[in-house]
Amino acid sequence: QQQVKQSPQSLIVQKGGISIINCAYENTAFDYFPWYQQFPGKGPALLIAIRPDVSEKKEGRFTISFNKSAKQFSLHIMDSQPGDSATYFCAASYGNEKLTFGTGTRLTIIP
Amino acid sequence: DAGITQSPRHKVTETGTPVTLRCHQTENHRYMYWYRQDPGHGLRLIHYSYGVKDTDKGEVSDGYSVSRSKTEDFLLTLESATSSQTSVYFCAISERQGNPYEQYFGPGTRLTVT
Repeated sequence: QQQVKQSPQSLIVQKGGISIINCAYENTAFDYFPWYQQFPGKGPALLIAIRPDVSEKKEGRFTISFNKSAKQFSLHIMDSQPGDSATYFCAASYGNEKLTFGTGTRLTIIP
Repeated sequence: DAGITQSPRHKVTETGTPVTLRCHQTENHRYMYWYRQDPGHGLRLIHYSYGVKDTDKGEVSDGYSVSRSKTEDFLLTLESATSSQTSVYFCAISERQGNPYEQYFGPGTRLTVT
């Protein structure tokens, strides 16, 4: 049973554009929502994370938007750059150390 | 990769043979995890450890066992490898103090079972 659904599976965005990746969850007990970035041949690395007591968190060009009532959260990458080309995973956790990951989005930024 | 090494980095093995993957950390973190990554499935937790000799199952634990005899080492064993266990395996670590739940991942081990 997939508890975190991620879309789209792949995404192509022009340089300078906005990349948007969406995730939806089912378990209302989730209280921590991180996004991980993975480059080819590397392990995932934490990019940004949010807790459900805020609706938005911004770090540089990366923003998480959180909609508790809809049980959805999304990653926005502003002014997307070729160096942002990677696979992005959303995840969720509830009060413990175990993370449930989405299926991943392969992002390609074209010139 | 946050002081995490995995060995071997690549391995090809035959169906039915035992395989052990090793994760070694130099961060003295309490929690260690084994994930497998497959296309269309993301990262799925196999087993995790919350201390020396303390381990628990994840969502895809069948066919795998783990051991942790020292803080720095977490071993994943496939007792009798099957083709369905062909995957990329990642080890991760975390520590409750500081930034809770943030997991740091190793570089991965690509395992092919023929």
